[in-house]
Amino acid sequence: EPEVTQTPSHQVTQMGQEVILRCVPISNHLYFYWYRQILGQKVEFLVSFYNNEISEKSEIFDDQFSVERPDGSNFTLKIRSTKLEDSAMYFCASLTSGRADTQYFGPGTRLTVL
Amino acid sequence: SQQGEEDPQALSIQEGENATMNCSYKTSINNLQWYRQNSGRGLVHLILIRSNEREKHSGRLRVTLDTSKKSSSLLITASRAADTASYFCATADYGGATNKLIFGTGTLLAVQP
Repeated sequence: EPEVTQTPSHQVTQMGQEVILRCVPISNHLYFYWYRQILGQKVEFLVSFYNNEISEKSEIFDDQFSVERPDGSNFTLKIRSTKLEDSAMYFCASLTSGRADTQYFGPGTRLTVL
Repeated sequence: SQQGEEDPQALSIQEGENATMNCSYKTSINNLQWYRQNSGRGLVHLILIRSNEREKHSGRLRVTLDTSKKSSSLLITASRAADTASYFCATADYGGATNKLIFGTGTLLAVQP
């Protein structure tokens, strides 16, 4: 069964460093998402991406964040200068079409900022 | 405003008992979904109920939706120790451009063997 994959599973970085989190969505999906979950808290929407552009972003998704779909398969989230409060689990998700129902989530990348 | 709040926040039951978790939400929705998350792991999609449905079953799971009260419940029957996890409801509103999901605060279920 097709699945969303994410790499790395765990990333440790120093404050101020740039990180890139990678996702490979399910191949025929058209909508892509990043969510994050700070330890012990609920899952929060960061950004959605459709037709090679951001369709919506939350207030969390400030200028330090960017997303890219550099080729036909990868979907990346970049944090330019990490802060301690960026430590969280980051989930990628994808959806087949605008009227489809189920978003499929990847296993997540745990980001630890020291 | 916070969309999606589950109660109870934590629930501890014995194996074989039923577990019921509730979710409330604030805005209009197209569907409501339930996800499971084992400690520190990914989100596993359990079941989806559309806004025009009132009840749905999948194996040991039963979900109800009351759009007039903006609430949903998830019932797990004959629970097993392996059901121990956090359970989140998530709502989707196709009125927005993106079909993003808005998650609730979650219920931590512990099933004692």
